[in-house]
Amino acid sequence: DTAVSQTPKYLVTQMGNDKSIKCEQNLGHDTMYWYKQDSKKFLKIMFSYNNKELIINETVPNRFSPKSPDKAHLNLHINSLELGDSAVYFCASSQEGGRINSPLHFGNGTRLTVT
Amino acid sequence: GNSVTQMEGPVTLSEEAFLTINCTYTATGYPSLFWYVQYPGEGLQLLLKATKADDKGSNKGFEATYRKETTSFHLEKGSVQVSDSAVYFCALRVGGGNKLTFGTGTQLKVEL
Repeated sequence: DTAVSQTPKYLVTQMGNDKSIKCEQNLGHDTMYWYKQDSKKFLKIMFSYNNKELIINETVPNRFSPKSPDKAHLNLHINSLELGDSAVYFCASSQEGGRINSPLHFGNGTRLTVT
Repeated sequence: GNSVTQMEGPVTLSEEAFLTINCTYTATGYPSLFWYVQYPGEGLQLLLKATKADDKGSNKGFEATYRKETTSFHLEKGSVQVSDSAVYFCALRVGGGNKLTFGTGTQLKVEL
């Protein structure tokens, strides 16, 4: 019944590897996001997709590539992982269509540790 | 640009104490304001919001009033509980999209 679910919850990998984080929402929302939270809890948006189209792409290295096969899924693929990529990555969703935007619903996060 | 400034934590209180977490903002445009809460090991959850000046958002005993003249949205609770221990994020949104600008978060620890 989890509204926004991300896998895996923990990911430990070595520098230079390629990894993916998956996200799915069952809320029927049309917009999904990836946020990065650093060790000081600072949250920064990375990407946003609306109905499978990229609408927000902040200054993120092109080693990060989001993929949205449908509006219920937004996966994050990271190439050539670096130590500085270690963080907690949160997926979120919301409903943008209509007059009122719904609040963001967050997943429980994926803690990525690069060694 | 848009930015949110929160008081630094951690804030440590005894149970039943009064809580204030300060939040001020700068925005290009008329923002909506939010407080999100993050419990340990979980994602953020919306706690309360206010969309126009003088609006008061409230939920679970927490309150915050949108003060345009002081560009503030301070979070308050009259009597905190151990279960309120979490990280609290102030955030703003300008315009029709849902791109939020978050503050740096304030950790609250409530002890018996």
